[in-house]
Amino acid sequence: EVQLVESGGGLVQPGGSLRLSCAASGFTLSDHYMDWVRQAPGKGLEWVGRTRNKANSYTTEYAASVKGRFTISRDDSKNSLYLQMKSLKTEDTAVYYCARDYYGSGSAPLGYWGQGTLVTVSS
Amino acid sequence: SYVVTQPPSVSVAPGQTARITCGGNNIGSKSVHWYQQKPGQAPVLVVHDDSDRPSGIPERFSGSNSGNTATLTISRVEAGDEADYYCQVWDSSSDHPVFGGGTKLTVL
Repeated sequence: EVQLVESGGGLVQPGGSLRLSCAASGFTLSDHYMDWVRQAPGKGLEWVGRTRNKANSYTTEYAASVKGRFTISRDDSKNSLYLQMKSLKTEDTAVYYCARDYYGSGSAPLGYWGQGTLVTVSS
Repeated sequence: SYVVTQPPSVSVAPGQTARITCGGNNIGSKSVHWYQQKPGQAPVLVVHDDSDRPSGIPERFSGSNSGNTATLTISRVEAGDEADYYCQVWDSSSDHPVFGGGTKLTVL
């Protein structure tokens, strides 16, 4: 069974940093694209970024709103995905979900989601 | 980048058919995916690649896509279908997923 469990959320001041983790199980992480998606309180889903699979050299892409501030990494040996967030802004306040592609393609839907972790940026 | 548009809300009586639209320029040339999200829960994929259902999703959920509009159809709506629904496409020009703004389905 595919499972994704996020952790690391919390309260951080504007300008601060935070690292989120996503523990994956039930599949081979290196075979899959992994994304981060966020949802601000009462708002819709916003794609944050992704890391491609091993076959595509683990390259990354980011939404314009976070590019240069957020970094996605992965450690397949630990079955873990990470989101390093720096220079946080109040508008980064959201529930952050990690998600896995449904069938190992760049254009595939996000078929598996974690339960999310809340990041609150406030002074 | 590519923009997809959803109506903010749709209301339907139990047992009736709900249709939620997702509009975009020539969206019929793209694969559209649909997610259901209930309050306090993570999104769940209910239809992918326009009209395919993941295992475990009831046959009452179906999808279509043509021209400038994709549609998620929920037949014989139940109270448990009340949720937010999001469409999503792949924007090849920016090489990333794009979500619609979401539609709140209310079961009267």
